[in-house]
Amino acid sequence: GDSVTQMEGPVTLSEEAFLTINCTYTATGYPSLFWYVQYPGEGLQLLLKATKADDKGSNKGFEATYRKETTSFHLEKGSVQVSDSAVYFCALSESGGYNKLIFGAGTRLAVHP
Amino acid sequence: DAMVIQNPRYQVTQFGKPVTLSCSQTLNHNVMYWYQQKSSQAPKLLFHYYDKDFNNEADTPDNFQSRRPNTSFCFLDIRSPGLGDAAMYLCATATGIPNQPQHFGDGTRLSIL
Repeated sequence: GDSVTQMEGPVTLSEEAFLTINCTYTATGYPSLFWYVQYPGEGLQLLLKATKADDKGSNKGFEATYRKETTSFHLEKGSVQVSDSAVYFCALSESGGYNKLIFGAGTRLAVHP
Repeated sequence: DAMVIQNPRYQVTQFGKPVTLSCSQTLNHNVMYWYQQKSSQAPKLLFHYYDKDFNNEADTPDNFQSRRPNTSFCFLDIRSPGLGDAAMYLCATATGIPNQPQHFGDGTRLSIL
């Protein structure tokens, strides 16, 4: 079945460092891909999405490009802030089936001043 | 702002005592989901409704049930909570249109005494 694999955390960075969180997927169809962020004690917030190959999703300085050839959707940010500390989930939505999501395990990011 | 609202944010119940968690939405979305999220894990889908059609995940325990009396509201009933049911419960909604994201509430954290 479809699956998502994320790099394990925690990822610890200093403020203004460059961030990459790797995400790869396995899917039989043509999924949409998402990054969600979860701050402590809160629900998940949509960070960005891409619906087809070579699409780039971006929001709040974060970017990710849908790479069909490498089945990847890596999250990047050029300069992280302390306020970016959170858990990041990569997810895919199958091409059928009510927007059902398959999540990666999540990657915790800690940014220090 | 249109949103997904979960009440209460924190719920404490006794071992074996039935408990109900609620979710409402102002997005007028067709699909509503319930997830269980344990510490440091990805959300685990319990079930979802497409309008009034109920869809149970194969590994959701019988102890968990759900009701959706109208488009706006959805309830999660735990008939006899065990210690292992202590978790964050997340409600989400989606349009049902392919490639669209899910929108999450802030969750209810359930504790079992």
